[in-house]
Amino acid sequence: GQQVMQIPQYQHVQEGEDFTTYCNSSTTLSNIQWYKQRPGGHPVFLIQLVKSGEVKKQKRLTFQFGEAKKNSSLHITATQTTDVGTYFCAGDNQGGKLIFGQGTELSVKP
Amino acid sequence: DSGVTQTPKHLITATGQRVTLRCSPRSGDLSVYWYQQSLDQGLQFLIQYYNGEERAKGNILERFSAQQFPDLHSELNLSSLELGDSALYFCASSARLNTGELFFGEGSRLTVL
Repeated sequence: GQQVMQIPQYQHVQEGEDFTTYCNSSTTLSNIQWYKQRPGGHPVFLIQLVKSGEVKKQKRLTFQFGEAKKNSSLHITATQTTDVGTYFCAGDNQGGKLIFGQGTELSVKP
Repeated sequence: DSGVTQTPKHLITATGQRVTLRCSPRSGDLSVYWYQQSLDQGLQFLIQYYNGEERAKGNILERFSAQQFPDLHSELNLSSLELGDSALYFCASSARLNTGELFFGEGSRLTVL
């Protein structure tokens, strides 16, 4: 079945450093979504990428969708303590299933 | 506030028991998804309903079942509970048939003793 792998599982950074999490799907995706889950909270939608090679920015966050629509990345520039949480990618292959990666837990040391 | 309501927020029960988790989607959303999140685990897709019909199924155990009612609320039934079923169960809703942005509820934390 469809699998979505995400690395790294954990990332500890100093405030101000950059952070990147990578997502790879075993199948071609129709779109990919990114969510953030704060400690003790629920996942909150960040963005959806649909087009091959698409790049989208939200302030310090940059999202990319690979040319083959099988991988994606989220890059945060100059992390802040408010960025703490677990970042999930979620792949949709139009089968009605939105499959989540295992998530990358980001901790930021002030 | 996502607009998705889940009850109960916390539930403690014993092995072998049966529980029902309830979800009310955002007003107007026709799709409901159920996910299981165990400790240090990602979000495992269980099942999706759209306008009352089962749309997609994940690795949902046979001891688990779900349904979506005409008023669009959904229930997830977990029976013959085992210790390993202890987890946070999230419901999410979406306006679209195919996945668009999912709005998650705050989850129901199930503890099986």
